[in-house]
Amino acid sequence: SQELEQSPQSLIVQEGKNLTINCTSSKTLYGLYWYKQKYGEGLIFLMMLQKGGEEKSHEKITAKLDEKKQQSSLHITASQPSHAGIYLCGAPLSYNQGGKLIFGQGTELSVKP
Amino acid sequence: KAGVTQTPRYLIKTRGQQVTLSCSPISGHRSVSWYQQTPGQGLQFLFEYFSETQRNKGNFPGRFSGRQFSNSRSEMNVSTLELGDSALYLCASSPGGGPYEQYFGPGTRLTVT
Repeated sequence: SQELEQSPQSLIVQEGKNLTINCTSSKTLYGLYWYKQKYGEGLIFLMMLQKGGEEKSHEKITAKLDEKKQQSSLHITASQPSHAGIYLCGAPLSYNQGGKLIFGQGTELSVKP
Repeated sequence: KAGVTQTPRYLIKTRGQQVTLSCSPISGHRSVSWYQQTPGQGLQFLFEYFSETQRNKGNFPGRFSGRQFSNSRSEMNVSTLELGDSALYLCASSPGGGPYEQYFGPGTRLTVT
């Protein structure tokens, strides 16, 4: 079965620093979703990447999809305390199963003021 | 547009009881997916409904069931509750039919005692 592995599992950064979170799939990616979650709450949609080489930005967050490497990276520029939370990547098992996502285990980000 | 709503937000049940959770998708969205989130297993897909039909199903026992109504609202039911069913249950809505953006609700926190 397909698995998504996120690295690092947790991250503590000083406010203002840049950081990168990676999401690697064990199988072919048919798209990649990034979400942010505050503990015990729902997932906030950040962006969806569909094509290899695609790059999208949401405020100071940028994500890229590398289909060949079966990997996506999420980059935060000039981190702020508001960026703290758990970042999750999700992917459909096939092109036609967009409603069925598997998820990585999450990356917990803490930003020190 | 209003976001995805889930009711109730919190629920405490006793082992052996059954429970029904409700999800109202974003207006115009026809696909509703359900997920279970626990600290040990992370986010796991339960099932997806599209136009009142179950389109995808995860690896959960038959005690977990769902349905979707003609207005796209969805319910999931868990019968004969077990302690291990304690979790955050999340639903996600999307327009459906392909790899669309999925938006999550705030979740229902179920505690089984």
